Amino acid sequence: GAVVSQHPSWVICKSGTSVKIECRSLDFQATTMFWYRQFPKQSLMLMATSNEGSKATYEQGVEKDKFLINHASLTLSTLTVTSAHPEDSSFYICSAETGGYGNQPQHFGDGTRLSIL
Amino acid sequence: TQLLEQSPQFLSIQEGENLTVYCNSSSVFSSLQWYRQEPGEGPVLLVTVVTGGEVKKLKRLTFQFGDARKDSSLHITAAQPGDTGLYLCAGANAGGTSYGKLTFGQGTILTVHP
Repeated sequence: GAVVSQHPSWVICKSGTSVKIECRSLDFQATTMFWYRQFPKQSLMLMATSNEGSKATYEQGVEKDKFLINHASLTLSTLTVTSAHPEDSSFYICSAETGGYGNQPQHFGDGTRLSIL
Repeated sequence: TQLLEQSPQFLSIQEGENLTVYCNSSSVFSSLQWYRQEPGEGPVLLVTVVTGGEVKKLKRLTFQFGDARKDSSLHITAAQPGDTGLYLCAGANAGGTSYGKLTFGQGTILTVHP
């Protein structure tokens, strides 16, 4: 149980393109999903907290107009990297909570490797 | 801002050796989670510890949560090449404005040589 699916797994596109990444909880409902960015051989850096039916909460330093987050249902959150540039190239990972009040673990998707040419 | 200091950052050992990874903080966490991540994949949950002083075992892996719930350790006995990966500790808080968010340590890249 607690499977999180992330799609696509790998994207290569030209500079200036907008890219949408989907995060789905397959066998549970997730009122809260999280989006992370990870550089090679480094830890995860939280970008934003995505809440179903409300606006996302962004971490300090993350441009909300650059990284658009939509959490339209209890099983789907999307991250759109708008007008992507080479510096946006990274590994993006989403996670979802299975519920409860903070002591429930987060379950992660397999990540999306984004390469901007 | 909560910080979780994880050490060592890099660990290169021979098969059969034992190792310990530490996570320390000045903050109290309601729970602490350990993940293992392989290149190109998402982190996979190994264990969640909740109670101060708690010890959990998962085959050759032993996890401890400090009495004050500020620190944790992961001990691997007789490491094998299959243990190679990035190990991440993450602290969680049950309430307040940080509800649900995880504070990650810097990660430990473990390489076990045959």
